[in-house]
Amino acid sequence: QKEVEQNSGPLSVPEGAIASLNCTYSDRGSQSFFWYRQYSGKSPELIMSIYSNGDKEDGRFTAQLNKASQYVSLLIRDSQPSDSATYLCAETSGGGADGLTFGKGTHLIIQP
Amino acid sequence: GAVVSQHPSRVICKSGTSVKIECRSLDFQATTMFWYRQFPKQSLMLMATSNEGSKATYEQGVEKDKFLINHASLTLSTLTVTSAHPEDSSFYICSARDSGARGHGTQYFGPGTRLLVL
Repeated sequence: QKEVEQNSGPLSVPEGAIASLNCTYSDRGSQSFFWYRQYSGKSPELIMSIYSNGDKEDGRFTAQLNKASQYVSLLIRDSQPSDSATYLCAETSGGGADGLTFGKGTHLIIQP
Repeated sequence: GAVVSQHPSRVICKSGTSVKIECRSLDFQATTMFWYRQFPKQSLMLMATSNEGSKATYEQGVEKDKFLINHASLTLSTLTVTSAHPEDSSFYICSARDSGARGHGTQYFGPGTRLLVL
């Protein structure tokens, strides 16, 4: 059974600092990786997707993928209080035809 | 773009009744939609994959006769919780994959339906 592991936190980061979120996955056949942000009581919102080894940057967000180590990370630069949420790591091996396997999420708190 | 809607957003029903939840892709076609369930303080768990014009594929442990899925068009999938019981109370979230998108098929999530069975 595929597993996605995340530290549940809470992870507390001062405003303006870099927040670093980590995720490991068990299935070496996983092809696509996603980071979603979920506010309490709301559905997940896509932040980043990454498919190839290396870094992918989008604004204040950088996703990093290392398939050899089965490791995915998300960096949030210049953290804002509005970034406080639960961040879900997800993967799929079917190129989009399969559903996502989610980690339990990391609760991030940005301290003003 | 890539907007997915769900209806209703919240429903309260009595034990034993059936509840239908609609999931629509508003600005793209989706041959594949997915239904997830999230219990309090838990992550999303995939329940089933809904394929337009064919039977849904259910994850292990999900009763197909209890959770009826219909995907009659490229923009609409429905989930019916039959004979709902209090343990079915949860946050049900659908997602849709853009059929026209090449490559990895990012999933876009609807706003979710919170079901409370009394």
